[in-house]
Amino acid sequence: AQTVTQSQPEMSVQEAETVTLSCTYDTSESDYYLFWYKQPPSRQMILVIRQEAYKQQNATENRFSVNFQKAAKSFSLKISDSQLGDAAMYFCAFKGAGKSTFGDGTTLTVKP
Amino acid sequence: NAGVTQTPKFQVLKTGQSMTLQCAQDMNHEYMSWYRQDPGMGLRLIHYSVGAGITDQGEVPNGYNVSRSTTEDFPLRLLSAAPSQTSVYFCASSYSNPGTEAFFGQGTRLTVV
Repeated sequence: AQTVTQSQPEMSVQEAETVTLSCTYDTSESDYYLFWYKQPPSRQMILVIRQEAYKQQNATENRFSVNFQKAAKSFSLKISDSQLGDAAMYFCAFKGAGKSTFGDGTTLTVKP
Repeated sequence: NAGVTQTPKFQVLKTGQSMTLQCAQDMNHEYMSWYRQDPGMGLRLIHYSVGAGITDQGEVPNGYNVSRSTTEDFPLRLLSAAPSQTSVYFCASSYSNPGTEAFFGQGTRLTVV
């Protein structure tokens, strides 16, 4: 069974600064994807970024990028130039053949 | 497209009552699942389905039943509500392909008194 661990229950960042959220996972599968989802106070889950396990190049979406270390089974999310609207709970997720497995989430606070 | 539609958005139940949370998707996704999210915590998988007629238990299945008679619908039934089932419930769907993201409903905030 897959496990996803987010070791930081809470993080805070100053507006315009950079923050990194950590995620590690465990799996025996070779073909899988990793995702970061954002859950703002509205409760709506929003996809932030995805990474294919077979790609060495780290995924980037505007101010969001990942540091994917396949051998270490690590998948961290970096948010650059943090904005007040980035304040939310962030979930790391693993998806192999079928169901998704989510971490417990990291609550990000952005200070003005 | 409506995406994933969950109803109701809010519900208050008395202990012992039963109810069904509805979930429907219009994206022809094979995979559907139900999660519960307790305050300040992550998503815990209750039940999931990989296609019509096929369901399986997740991490916390006790007290809940599901069925999947069609591709579109995946209702979650609370058999006899307990205060421990107070939570926010999310339905999600996706293609079985690992690369596809999960689409979530808006959630149902359930309070059992």
